[in-house]
Amino acid sequence: GNSVTQMEGPVTLSEEAFLTINCTYTATGYPSLFWYVQYPGEGLQLLLKATKADDKGSNKGFEATYRKETTSFHLEKGSVQVSDSAVYFCALSPTPNNTDKLIFGTGTRLQVFP
Amino acid sequence: GAGVSQSPSNKVTEKGKDVELRCDPISGHTALYWYRQSLGQGLEFLIYFQGNSAPDKSGLPSDRFSAERTGGSVSTLTIQRTQQEDSAVYLCASSRSGTRTDTQYFGPGTRLTVL
Repeated sequence: GNSVTQMEGPVTLSEEAFLTINCTYTATGYPSLFWYVQYPGEGLQLLLKATKADDKGSNKGFEATYRKETTSFHLEKGSVQVSDSAVYFCALSPTPNNTDKLIFGTGTRLQVFP
Repeated sequence: GAGVSQSPSNKVTEKGKDVELRCDPISGHTALYWYRQSLGQGLEFLIYFQGNSAPDKSGLPSDRFSAERTGGSVSTLTIQRTQQEDSAVYLCASSRSGTRTDTQYFGPGTRLTVL
């Protein structure tokens, strides 16, 4: 079946530190991959996405590359800010023959301190 | 433009009562999804509507849960005879066409508490 595994949090960093949140997936075919973010008190927002192998999604200084050979979509940012503190969810949308529901990882809480 | 809206934002009910949760998707979006976010289960898919096609109900946890979408727009999720394990945040999302490359836009959610 389809599933997403992401590292457990919380991840605690100082401002300007480098961030990596690991995400690996299991899926048949060629899923699309997403990172969603949930800021405190707010709803889920799309952060970035990649729809085919080797694509790189990027937004707000965050990047993730769709690696089919390692079935991974790790989220990275070179220099985090306090405002990046949130819960980050990795997700996949399976191949077109299935309902294009999102399958989410468990979420990783990021806490950035000044 | 307006995003996905949900009502109510919070709902407290007693065990055994029925509840209705409403979702207004982004205008023009043909696909609509319901998810549930709970401490024990994370984010789970519940049901999916796409245009006039039969909905995908594969994520509904029991027959106490049902949903409809009227006129291809507004959707209502109904939970009958609520149980304490139904307590969660219920999220609605919509996308333009429901393909795997589409972005799903989420509403703010309805926090349901069953006492």
